[in-house]
Amino acid sequence: GAGVSQSPRYKVTKRGQDVALRCDPISGHVSLYWYRQALGQGPEFLTYFNYEAQQDKSGLPNDRFSAERPEGSISTLTIQRTEQRDSAMYRCASSGLADNEQFFGPGTRLTVL
Amino acid sequence: AQSVAQPEDQVNVAEGNPLTVKCTYSVSGNPYLFWYVQYPNRGLQFLLKYITGDNLVKGSYGFEAEFNKSQTSFHLKKPSALVSDSALYFCAAASYGNNRLAFGKGNQVVVIP
Repeated sequence: GAGVSQSPRYKVTKRGQDVALRCDPISGHVSLYWYRQALGQGPEFLTYFNYEAQQDKSGLPNDRFSAERPEGSISTLTIQRTEQRDSAMYRCASSGLADNEQFFGPGTRLTVL
Repeated sequence: AQSVAQPEDQVNVAEGNPLTVKCTYSVSGNPYLFWYVQYPNRGLQFLLKYITGDNLVKGSYGFEAEFNKSQTSFHLKKPSALVSDSALYFCAAASYGNNRLAFGKGNQVVVIP
């Protein structure tokens, strides 16, 4: 079956612009997670949802970052007024309610010029 | 706070030799432990997990890992490495009942023909 998909795969933007990153989880997966991965580092937790409810947003670095999952399926991570330090790979994952393992998408490579 | 350490940057091993990738963790209470593998331009792929039960867990592609509570370790092993095992390996941990994964920085494994 189809895995987790993310779009766009690559995004180049200028400092100060807003960007929206999309994640389409595995069909039927209740939980959806966002991580950020800097070059040479492991993924770092940002936030996660069960259904449409945001359960934990403690990993979001500041109030320029927000996420939503209005219908409990597709999620959007939005970064407002981007800065160069926001450049990273943004990874989305999903899992079933009774599962522990998270299945990851290919990621979106964000570059802020 | 949860944390994971992967002390080596790169692991070089000859094809056919045993492969070990080291991981130690720090979480509150009982841990959930995972190994993921990342191939170039691909997402993270789940290899195996420890939740409870036997300390030796077996996963995909002939990999296994041993949970050692006293040493807070979860080293990944494969008895006979293949060239196709060359990839970036990540260890991850979460506290029991917590979905927020903490990742190590990753280990590049190079299997030499």
